[in-house]
Amino acid sequence: QSALTQPASVSGSPGQSITISCTGTRSDIGTYNYVSWYQQHPGKAPKVMIYDVSSRPSGVSNRFSGSKSGNTASLTISGLQPEDEADYYCSSHTTTSTWVFGGGTKVTVL
Amino acid sequence: EVQLVESGGGLVQPGGSLKVSCIASGFTFSGSSVHWVRQASGKGLEWVGRTSSKANNYATASAASVRGRFTISRDDSKNTAFLQMNSLKTEDTAVYYCTSPMRDGKWYFDLWGRGTLVTVSS
Repeated sequence: QSALTQPASVSGSPGQSITISCTGTRSDIGTYNYVSWYQQHPGKAPKVMIYDVSSRPSGVSNRFSGSKSGNTASLTISGLQPEDEADYYCSSHTTTSTWVFGGGTKVTVL
Repeated sequence: EVQLVESGGGLVQPGGSLKVSCIASGFTFSGSSVHWVRQASGKGLEWVGRTSSKANNYATASAASVRGRFTISRDDSKNTAFLQMNSLKTEDTAVYYCTSPMRDGKWYFDLWGRGTLVTVSS
């Protein structure tokens, strides 16, 4: 199972919106609506930001939203804030009953 | 408090073995799968494997990179999951996180431990 494909880095100015893509295959994202997104600050454990493609856990800002089309999922951060600067990972369940992560995207707030 | 706490990491020589543990509290451990995810320094997250709940017959699955070398198990009476690592390679060096959806029917990693560092080096 190969890792999902994410851009290595995305940047934006405070207040702007950015979108991170996550491309998989028919064996993962294309089959299941079990895509989740995780935020990780340096030295910290990951934190779930989006689950089941577009659902947000309680306590996560509504500036974070998710979507999916075909084999590609996306995470959008609107109204970018300095505290959003972190690494972001997508993840999906697969048809072989395993899970796979994306390579990660470093978000920089300019 | 709802938490997962890993322990047992350390330095081990290539070809050696190590067993790390994950103790859960604050939720119904027996009703959820437990997963292991690792992260090499400066690298991304890699799913290692999981043990399912009793309701799902404690089924296990693992990534191709560790299959046949790593074994995942659990002891519900002690709210503890284990990752037994054999035939360790230098590329297995990473922080190993324990994570769980906290109940069956959730397909994402809701709760994470702080991780335990495993270093494979001679």
